[in-house]
Amino acid sequence: ILNVEQSPQSLHVQEGDSTNFTCSFPSSNFYALHWYRWETAKSPEALFVMTLNGDEKKKGRISATLNTKEGYSYLYIKGSQPEDSATYLCAFDGYGGSQGNLIFGKGTKLSVKP
Amino acid sequence: DVKVTQSSRYLVKRTGEKVFLECVQDMDHENMFWYRQDPGLGLRLIYFSYDVKMKEKGDIPEGYSVSREKKERFSLILESASTNQTSMYLCASSLGGVYEGEQYFGPGTRLTVT
Repeated sequence: ILNVEQSPQSLHVQEGDSTNFTCSFPSSNFYALHWYRWETAKSPEALFVMTLNGDEKKKGRISATLNTKEGYSYLYIKGSQPEDSATYLCAFDGYGGSQGNLIFGKGTKLSVKP
Repeated sequence: DVKVTQSSRYLVKRTGEKVFLECVQDMDHENMFWYRQDPGLGLRLIYFSYDVKMKEKGDIPEGYSVSREKKERFSLILESASTNQTSMYLCASSLGGVYEGEQYFGPGTRLTVT
């Protein structure tokens, strides 16, 4: 059974703090690693899809890195804002191609206090 | 923008009832997915479909069936609802045949079976 682990399970930070979380995934049969943000009462939305070892992606204050050889990805948020409060999910794609079947971690729930 | 809609946000059904959850996407995506989200368990895949009339079992298909008669519509059916099927159900879709298969999610249906 393929396992995707995220840590920490939850995180409480003050506005302005920078933070990061980890996603661990199988290092074999890697195709892609996805990050999603899921705000309360909204749909999960994709942040990044990462495919290459060493890949770094950035969207505003949020960035992510990927290490496929050791099977981990970090998500960084610089200068957290209350609107960053959400659950951050990572998902491992070991199939790719037309099926796009993902295995999700349980998420890291971030709360940013003003 | 891709839009994925689900027929209901909240649904209350009785044990033994047959329940239909409908999902529609408007971007001509080949792949469609049904997940359930339970506290502490993350998103778990129930069924997915990569083409009209095609379906594949996910991790937890027991007690569920699906139907995909048209490309844009993917239905989840609970043949005889039970209390352990009380959950949040999320539908998603993605393009087929491309490696960046990010998934687009609907708003979710919170189903309560009494």
